[in-house]
Amino acid sequence: DADVTQTPRNRITKTGKRIMLECSQTKGHDRMYWYRQDPGLGLRLIYYSFDVKDINKGEISDGYSVSRQAQAKFSLSLESAIPNQTALYFCATSPGLAGARRETQYFGPGTRLLVL
Amino acid sequence: DAKTTQPNSMESNEEEPVHLPCNHSTISGTDYIHWYRQLPSQGPEYVIHGLTSNVNNRMASLAIAEDRKSSTLILHRATLRDAAVYYCILRDGSGNTGKLIFGQGTTLQVKP
Repeated sequence: DADVTQTPRNRITKTGKRIMLECSQTKGHDRMYWYRQDPGLGLRLIYYSFDVKDINKGEISDGYSVSRQAQAKFSLSLESAIPNQTALYFCATSPGLAGARRETQYFGPGTRLLVL
Repeated sequence: DAKTTQPNSMESNEEEPVHLPCNHSTISGTDYIHWYRQLPSQGPEYVIHGLTSNVNNRMASLAIAEDRKSSTLILHRATLRDAAVYYCILRDGSGNTGKLIFGQGTTLQVKP
């Protein structure tokens, strides 16, 4: 079984709808992240969480919100989806050891979202 | 955050070595150099990282210039499965945020 899972894997929604993307991990990691990927732009950080009570905005958080329900679960919500939120979304985890500069991040398989 | 510069694309023949360059002229003394790759239709995966000394693991080698302003990821014998986008990333050295800043990476094509 995969260590980092994302649901759904594919989603089509309409403008103005609220949707939630879910991420679960069995690695026992404290830190979790949400990224989006657009063609030609690489990956960009949306939100990150260092533990259940610590949530931080990334570089492109506008239009998104997150919830860290437990150590193993980190959800990303689009309150009112718009077409330019069409992208590939990745969840990632890292162990939260001392020395974050050395940490490896482990990525899920991604959720492909289309907003019509 | 310090930035990296990579060629947009490279080609290699199967079973030949591949050297993927990365420039990071504004690197700070505490920034680690990380490499990730993204295979088609998959999430990124960790390849290797280092600080000052050259590093080897089962996937690749990382050669770091003495002044640390550039580095090279070395795949010793490219296979078709190595065709991917390779990202050179500097970890945030000013604190403990753990952020990964991805650029556009280098798309590696491996020809049979």
